[in-house]
Amino acid sequence: GENVEQHPSTLSVQEGDSAVIKCTYSDSASNYFPWYKQELGKRPQLIIDIRSNVGEKKDQRIAVTLNKTAKHFSLHITETQPEDSAVYFCAASTFDYKLSFGAGTTVTVRA
Amino acid sequence: DTGVSQNPRHKITKRGQNVTFRCDPISEHNRLYWYRQTLGQGPEFLTYFQNEAQLEKSRLLSDRFSAERPKGSFSTLEIQRTEQGDSAMYLCAVGDRENEQYFGPGTRLTVT
Repeated sequence: GENVEQHPSTLSVQEGDSAVIKCTYSDSASNYFPWYKQELGKRPQLIIDIRSNVGEKKDQRIAVTLNKTAKHFSLHITETQPEDSAVYFCAASTFDYKLSFGAGTTVTVRA
Repeated sequence: DTGVSQNPRHKITKRGQNVTFRCDPISEHNRLYWYRQTLGQGPEFLTYFQNEAQLEKSRLLSDRFSAERPKGSFSTLEIQRTEQGDSAMYLCAVGDRENEQYFGPGTRLTVT
């Protein structure tokens, strides 16, 4: 089955700086890569996703890049704000729709 | 709001008891998924439905677990003879467009 590894496990950044989280996947058939944000005690919230036919996607301060050859994808958050503090999960799926998640990155934005 | 409710939100039960959780999408969705999340980990896939058909079950889903989605709307997840290792957050998600999935608030199960 699919194996998704996520790094780093924790990330502390100064407000206004950028944050980058990287994930690798094992199944070359994976074609969908979402990112979820989970605040303490709340549901995972889909914040951005990318499909295998696209190399990069942006939505305001967040962007995701995909390198299919190397089988890795990354989340970039620019101009970080305190409300960006949360646990971020990457995931991957193939045609069977089930998501395989990384272990998560705890992001702390220091004011 | 993704439009998924889950009940109960919290459940405390004694080992050996049976529990049932319910997931109610507010609007119709073709696919419905169940995941389990333990502290400090990402959600793990358990099973999913395409309308009322259960299409896949994870190896994580032992014989003590059963899920249903009658009429392709709400879904239930039952755990029989609960064990302490079953303690986790049980998340329901729905999706339509390709792979996109939206999660409900989850049911936190504590087995004592």
